[in-house]
Amino acid sequence: GAGVSQSPSNKVTEKGKDVELRCDPISGHTALYWYRQSLGQGLEFLIYFQGNSAPDKSGLPSDRFSAERTGGSVSTLTIQRTQQEDSAVYLCASSLTSAVSGSPLHFGNGTRLTVT
Amino acid sequence: GENVEQHPSTLSVQEGDSAVIKCTYSDSASNYFPWYKQELGKGPQLIIDIRSNVGEKKDQRIAVTLNKTAKHFSLHITETQPEDSAVYFCAARAQAGGFKTIFGAGTRLFVKA
Repeated sequence: GAGVSQSPSNKVTEKGKDVELRCDPISGHTALYWYRQSLGQGLEFLIYFQGNSAPDKSGLPSDRFSAERTGGSVSTLTIQRTQQEDSAVYLCASSLTSAVSGSPLHFGNGTRLTVT
Repeated sequence: GENVEQHPSTLSVQEGDSAVIKCTYSDSASNYFPWYKQELGKGPQLIIDIRSNVGEKKDQRIAVTLNKTAKHFSLHITETQPEDSAVYFCAARAQAGGFKTIFGAGTRLFVKA
């Protein structure tokens, strides 16, 4: 079946511009996560959505970052006024549920963002 | 909140040898510990996981052990092959943390033929 789909796979933007990154989770998965991975580094938690609950935004690095999840499915991560330090791979993951321990995350292949 | 530390950051082994990667976690409420493998240009993929009511789990050449008292868990890969070369991440998830999964910094494994 289809996995987690992210688009675009690569995005080059100029400093100061806004960008939108899209994630299509696996159908039926109620939990959706965004992580950031800088070159050669680990996965930095950004935000996660669980069903209709308020999202956990505790990992967002600044108010330039925001995310939405419409209809409990597709999610968009928006970065406003991009800075060079925003350059990284942005990974989306979904899982069947967060409310039960043991639901593994299924990752997309990420969007590589380069801010020039 | 949860903090996961992972060692070593880089590991180089000869084909056929074993590889061990170790992680510690801070939140005693964590109860789910997955391991992911990430190949170049791809997202991480789950390779094995363990729940807090189990001390050890094995799947072919891969095994994971968990010591809840010490808050340690480890990944063991036996009879390593060149295709095992990748970055490996441990992770922990706790109900108290809202179930979000926190990752270690990763271990880059090189298997030399």
